[in-house]
Amino acid sequence: DVKVTQSSRYLVKRTGEKVFLECVQDMDHENMFWYRQDPGLGLRLIYFSYDVKMKEKGDIPEGYSVSREKKERFSLILESASTNQTSMYLCASSRQVVDEQYFGPGTRLTVT
Amino acid sequence: AQKITQTQPGMFVQEKEAVTLDCTYDTSDQSYGLFWYKQPSSGEMIFLIYQGSYDEQNATEGRYSLNFQKARKSANLVISASQLGDSAMYFCAMRSGTYKYIFGTGTRLKVLA
Repeated sequence: DVKVTQSSRYLVKRTGEKVFLECVQDMDHENMFWYRQDPGLGLRLIYFSYDVKMKEKGDIPEGYSVSREKKERFSLILESASTNQTSMYLCASSRQVVDEQYFGPGTRLTVT
Repeated sequence: AQKITQTQPGMFVQEKEAVTLDCTYDTSDQSYGLFWYKQPSSGEMIFLIYQGSYDEQNATEGRYSLNFQKARKSANLVISASQLGDSAMYFCAMRSGTYKYIFGTGTRLKVLA
């Protein structure tokens, strides 16, 4: 079975802090994704990576950056956390970009 | 514009009955894929079923089937013989173009004993 893990289930940070969210998948998938999930808005794509060191902006990249130095690991970085970045963050991976995605358990981030 | 619409914020169904969750989509692409995911209270999204735009047969996976009506741009999920464990949030999603994934706002299903 595909396993996608995220470094934290719950995280509380202060405004202005730099925040790292880590995601690791163990099935050698090429593609990895970061979403944020907000009530009434569904999931929105922040960034996508289709290979090591390669990335594409999603629908809401502002205030975020990503890093993919190794195939299995995809990190989401909030350069200077703000209260409007309080949300659930979901990482996903897929073998081919057209395939179904496998999700991690999510990180609920609160910025105070 | 590409869009997924789920008009039912919440639904109830009696255990062992069938239920249909609605999903309509909009895209100008000829090639696209439609997905349904389940999100239990634990938070992890679970893939349920997939339908490709060129697939002529409706997809089925166990108790899940996808009622694909291309002309109407609808991709409804049918769950047969509902179980208490089916209580969850359900998301319809569309992959259109290369990596572009769009999710609906979800339907919360509650199965009643």
